[in-house]
Amino acid sequence: NAGVMQNPRHLVRRRGQEARLRCSPMKGHSHVYWYRQLPEEGLKFMVYLQKENIIDESGMPKERFSAEFPKEGPSILRIQQVVRGDSAAYFCASSPQGGSSEAFFGQGTRLTVV
Amino acid sequence: QQQVKQSPQSLIVQKGGISIINCAYENTAFDYFPWYQQFPGKGPALLIAIRPDVSEKKEGRFTISFNKSAKQFSLHIMDSQPGDSATYFCAASGTGTASKLTFGTGTRLQVTL
Repeated sequence: NAGVMQNPRHLVRRRGQEARLRCSPMKGHSHVYWYRQLPEEGLKFMVYLQKENIIDESGMPKERFSAEFPKEGPSILRIQQVVRGDSAAYFCASSPQGGSSEAFFGQGTRLTVV
Repeated sequence: QQQVKQSPQSLIVQKGGISIINCAYENTAFDYFPWYQQFPGKGPALLIAIRPDVSEKKEGRFTISFNKSAKQFSLHIMDSQPGDSATYFCAASGTGTASKLTFGTGTRLQVTL
C-alpha cells in the first residue's frame, strides 16, 4: 500500500513563473490537506479538499494560490507568478475520512524561487 | 484560539534518558491530538495520537499524557536513543471543517551518546 505520493520532490522556478505541485493520496483516502513549512518553522494549514470540492481554504493566500482535487487524478496546488517568499516545503496529507482522524503525510515538494 | 503552544524549542537528552515535550491548546473543540516526528528533508510521520476521553496512551517507548482540564498534553520518550534525534511536532484538530491540523512550532530533539 503506497503512501502519499508527492511530485516533484524538488522544484526550481524563476520569479513570475507558475509552480504546479501534485499529490496522490493513499489508496482509499478521499480527504486531502495541503500544508506549507518555512525553514525552521512548523507546518501551516493551507487548504482542505475532498474529491471535486474545496472544504476549507482559510489558510490559502487570497491571490496567486489555488488548489483542486478532481474526480480523477491527483490533487494539484498551483502557485501563479511565484515570488521569493513562496520558497518553502509544501506537504500534502491524506486521511480516509473527515473529522479528527489519522492523517498521513507525503515527503513534500521543496519549492525554490530564484 | 487556534494556537497550539509547544515547548521546549530544543532539547538535548543523553542516551537512555527520558525526553519530555509539552503542548498546550486553547480551542476546546479540539478532540484529536497527534504527535509527528520529522527527520530533515522528510515529511512528518505520525508517531502516536490521543483523544480526550483517555488520560494516557502508550505505544512502545512513546507515551502521551493528556490533561483535559488544563488543556495540556505531553509526549514522553522513554529510553531515548540517538535514532530518536528529530523534530517533534504536536498538533490538534477537531471535526468537519476544523479537521485541519493545527501544529505546534516543533521541538528539535538531540539524543547524545
